[in-house]
Amino acid sequence: DTAVSQTPKYLVTQMGNDKSIKCEQNLGHDTMYWYKQDSKKFLKIMFSYNNKELIINETVPNRFSPKSPDKAHLNLHINSLELGDSAVYFCASSQAPLVGGEQFFGPGTRLTVL
Amino acid sequence: KNEVEQSPQNLTAQEGEFITINCSYSVGISALHWLQQHPGGGIVSLFMLSSGKKKHGRLIATINIQEKHSSLHITASHPRDSAVYICAVASTGNQFYFGTGTSLTVIP
Repeated sequence: DTAVSQTPKYLVTQMGNDKSIKCEQNLGHDTMYWYKQDSKKFLKIMFSYNNKELIINETVPNRFSPKSPDKAHLNLHINSLELGDSAVYFCASSQAPLVGGEQFFGPGTRLTVL
Repeated sequence: KNEVEQSPQNLTAQEGEFITINCSYSVGISALHWLQQHPGGGIVSLFMLSSGKKKHGRLIATINIQEKHSSLHITASHPRDSAVYICAVASTGNQFYFGTGTSLTVIP
């Protein structure tokens, strides 16, 4: 059973399009995260939700909008995609925010914007 | 300057060697994480610690809060340990910062 799953694994799209990445965890965790890993492999936190409430919202363009329909899901919607959005996006979950235990990561979604 | 600095950036070792990866940070923290990113891209959490030392198999993580420094040690290294090791900190200001990673290659 996959603990944290993301779909799709690969996403290739044109500039200006709108796309979504879905994330689901079956660990019963309260906290979920979205991270971006750029072409230099540097990871950066984008958002964190705890019990469906946004608790971390880093300086991210407002074209990125997370949506948490329930504790087990945290989806990432991106409007008007730009070339610079090309990256690998990782979803993760933990028992509680940031210090609440180890984080479990999804396999990543490689987004390529042409 | 990055809030979390790791050294070395790249490390090559012979199988069986003892390996140390260092992490220094400049912010007040609630916890520090060590992550492993496999060559295929998957990320696994190795440790979360806020004081002292933790051990899991051949891996040992230590942290010195006063010196704002953590080390990850690998004993009896093996080629399957080849990966990127990433240090990350949860700051007391509710931020999360990553180091740039240490790329480890263990040669048989």
